[in-house]
Amino acid sequence: KAGVTQTPRYLIKTRGQQVTLSCSPISGHRSVSWYQQTPGQGLQFLFEYFSETQRNKGNFPGRFSGRQFSNSRSEMNVSTLELGDSALYLCASSLEEPNIQYFGAGTRLSVL
Amino acid sequence: QKEVEQNSGPLSVPEGAIASLNCTYSDRVSQSFFWYRQYSGKSPELIMSIYSNGDKEDGRFTAQLNKASQYVSLLIRDSQPSDSATYLCAVNIRGTGRRALTFGSGTRLQVQP
Repeated sequence: KAGVTQTPRYLIKTRGQQVTLSCSPISGHRSVSWYQQTPGQGLQFLFEYFSETQRNKGNFPGRFSGRQFSNSRSEMNVSTLELGDSALYLCASSLEEPNIQYFGAGTRLSVL
Repeated sequence: QKEVEQNSGPLSVPEGAIASLNCTYSDRVSQSFFWYRQYSGKSPELIMSIYSNGDKEDGRFTAQLNKASQYVSLLIRDSQPSDSATYLCAVNIRGTGRRALTFGSGTRLQVQP
């Protein structure tokens, strides 16, 4: 069974631009969670989607948004990028509840 | 007080020794606890899950949960240099009604050959 797939693996953007990251969960998994990981803040929860609905949201500004499609694939979008958005963005999938989560390889975003 | 706390380390142990990693959490109603291992530059990898008080063993790894004292620990027996990584404790914090795992900041383990 294929694991969680995140694309792209690396991104370089400049301040003010926007970016879209993609996540394909493990087949059969319907819950997709997104996290931001930085050296200073560790793993921070962004949001969680289930059946195309955002069930939960962390403490991030509205510039961070996401969505989930009917096939459980998910995208997250960051608008008006800031230097502080440079981080590893991780997607994790689980069956229904975000308990046992499996992570993708991540997308490393650098904002210049 | 952070919801999930871990000593950042580094915790240095010699090869073959037992490494003991600890984690405390703030929410008394939390039910689900997880240990992830993260190598430098890689994504977290699930090692263990534990839901009931007591010990749970899987190979060289043993997770211990004490809900009364609100701590969960991970023991790694016969530590190998390949175990050198950051270990993340994750808790499903139920008290806030939030459907998400809350992660500690991680403990960096170094196993000296």
